Amino acid sequence: KAGVTQTPRYLIKTRGQQVTLSCSPISGHRSVSWYQQTPGQGLQFLFEYFSETQRNKGNFPGRFSGRQFSNSRSEMNVSTLELGDSALYLCASSPRGVGSTGELFFGEGSRLTVL
Amino acid sequence: GIQVEQSPPDLILQEGANSTLRCNFSDSVNNLQWFHQNPWGQLINLFYIPSGTKQNGRLSATTVATERYSLLYISSSQTTDSGVYFCAVVFVTDSWGKLQFGAGTQVVVTP
Repeated sequence: KAGVTQTPRYLIKTRGQQVTLSCSPISGHRSVSWYQQTPGQGLQFLFEYFSETQRNKGNFPGRFSGRQFSNSRSEMNVSTLELGDSALYLCASSPRGVGSTGELFFGEGSRLTVL
Repeated sequence: GIQVEQSPPDLILQEGANSTLRCNFSDSVNNLQWFHQNPWGQLINLFYIPSGTKQNGRLSATTVATERYSLLYISSSQTTDSGVYFCAVVFVTDSWGKLQFGAGTQVVVTP
């Protein structure tokens, strides 16, 4: 069974640009949640999508957005990039969602550097 | 929101030693997981343990939900155990769940 796949693995952008990251969950999983990891703030919840609907959102500005497609693949977008957006972005997949019982499974992450 | 505190923040062990990592949380949680972050950044599932005790090889974990803490035990540590260990809890807000991570314990196992 394939795991959670995130693309791209590494990318470099400049301030003001936008970026789109992709996450393909484990087959049959309907929930994808996103997280930002930085040295200063640690791991923080961004948002969760379940069956194409956003269920919950963390404390991030509107520049951070996401969506989920009918095949459960999810994308997150960050517009007007700032230096502080440099981070490891992780996504997790689960069959019934973050609030349900059961494990979450993480991808390898997308490492974004903003210059 | 819920507070998740991990201790100690750093741990240096000699190969073969045993250790205990602790995770305290401030409110009732739906579930709790322990992860090991590998050098490439991926979070590797160690235990899904909302309550009770589980063992997997040299690792074991115990969660006492009524007292709001979980422990991760590493026995006979090996250099491959080095890395950051995170506990993460799920709590429900506005009918849906959020995953809250602790700050992690950085473990270094020396030969």
